[in-house]
Amino acid sequence: KQEVTQIPAALSVPEGENLVLNCSFTDSAIYNLQWFRQDPGKGLTSLLLIQSSQREQTSGRLNASLDKSSGRSTLYIAASQPGDSATYLCAVKSARQLTFGSGTQLTVLP
Amino acid sequence: ETGVTQTPRHLVMGMTNKKSLKCEQHLGHNAMYWYKQSAKKPLELMFVYNFKEQTENNSVPSRFSPECPNSSHLFLHLHTLQPEDSALYLCASSQDTGTGVFFGEGSRLTVL
Repeated sequence: KQEVTQIPAALSVPEGENLVLNCSFTDSAIYNLQWFRQDPGKGLTSLLLIQSSQREQTSGRLNASLDKSSGRSTLYIAASQPGDSATYLCAVKSARQLTFGSGTQLTVLP
Repeated sequence: ETGVTQTPRHLVMGMTNKKSLKCEQHLGHNAMYWYKQSAKKPLELMFVYNFKEQTENNSVPSRFSPECPNSSHLFLHLHTLQPEDSALYLCASSQDTGTGVFFGEGSRLTVL
């Protein structure tokens, strides 16, 4: 059974800092890995999708990497802003389903 | 406009009521999902439909009854719920196994 872990559970940084969120998974037989953002009481917004054959994806200030063999992914956020404050979730898609981590709650202080 | 629309956004119901949540996707996807999100817990997959056929039922109690009349619409029928069923219910869709999943804004359910 696939298990996805996100560390840290919560993170607080001053505005302007670069930061890294971590995601690990136990079964490397995946189709893809997706990073989402969730604001309080809202749905999930897809940020980046990395296929199993890819190593990284970039969108603006966001960069996500994937090391399938070690079961790890990172989300790098450059020059963080207060508007980046949200919960970030990673999800791994395997043959049967999409498995989510518990998320990292990010607070960027002005 | 997310491409996946859920109604209602908020629902309060008593334990003896019958209500339904609706999801519609405008993305031409062939798979649709119901997830439950409770406080302090990871997202829980409830049901998966591929081409209108249910392919996954994640041991969900029978008081939750899904319906998928076509590949664009998904319902979750609710009856005799319990207060612990209060949660955010999220609908999602995807094209196939290799593509990303897109979520709606969710329906916040409160059971009194």
